[in-house]
Amino acid sequence: DTAVSQTPKYLVTQMGNDKSIKCEQNLGHDTMYWYKQDSKKFLKIMFSYNNKELIINETVPNRFSPKSPDKAHLNLHINSLELGDSAVYFCASSQVTGSNQPQHFGDGTRLSIL
Amino acid sequence: ELKVEQNPLFLSMQEGKNYTIYCNYSTTSDRLYWYRQDPGKSLESLFVLLSNGAVKQEGRLMASLDTKARLSTLHITAAVHDLSATYFCAVDTNRPSSGTYKYIFGTGTRLKVLA
Repeated sequence: DTAVSQTPKYLVTQMGNDKSIKCEQNLGHDTMYWYKQDSKKFLKIMFSYNNKELIINETVPNRFSPKSPDKAHLNLHINSLELGDSAVYFCASSQVTGSNQPQHFGDGTRLSIL
Repeated sequence: ELKVEQNPLFLSMQEGKNYTIYCNYSTTSDRLYWYRQDPGKSLESLFVLLSNGAVKQEGRLMASLDTKARLSTLHITAAVHDLSATYFCAVDTNRPSSGTYKYIFGTGTRLKVLA
């Protein structure tokens, strides 16, 4: 049973297109995250949702829009893709309320913009 | 602003040697995590350190936390090739009761163990 699953695993698309990445967790966690990992391996948090509410929204272009239909899902939609969006995007989840547990990560979505 | 810095960024070492990776952070926190990432893979949790003086060990890796110095270390004993990976520390200042949330990863240390 995959704890945090994200799809697709690879995404190759043209500049200017719109794409979505989906994430689901079956761990019962109350918080989900999106991270961007660049070519130098730096991991930067983009968004975090706690019980479907946005709690962290770092400086990210408004072309990126997260959506959490329920606390087990956090999707990421990207409009008008640019070359600089090429990266690996990781979804993660954790129990924030009343817990000191680590985050659990999905396998990543490798986004390449042509 | 919370900053988390790791040192060194790159580490190439011979099998059998010992080394330490350092993680410095800039604000008060009593929760620190270490993760491992293999090339092209996801991040895997290694250690959770929850209090000053906490020490955790798993195999050839040992992590410690000094909250007063805002420093965590990951010590590698008698390195083997299988330990080659990127290691990240992360600091958690989540305070749900006050509605503040922050979870910052360090810059990562790319470790290569040479046979």
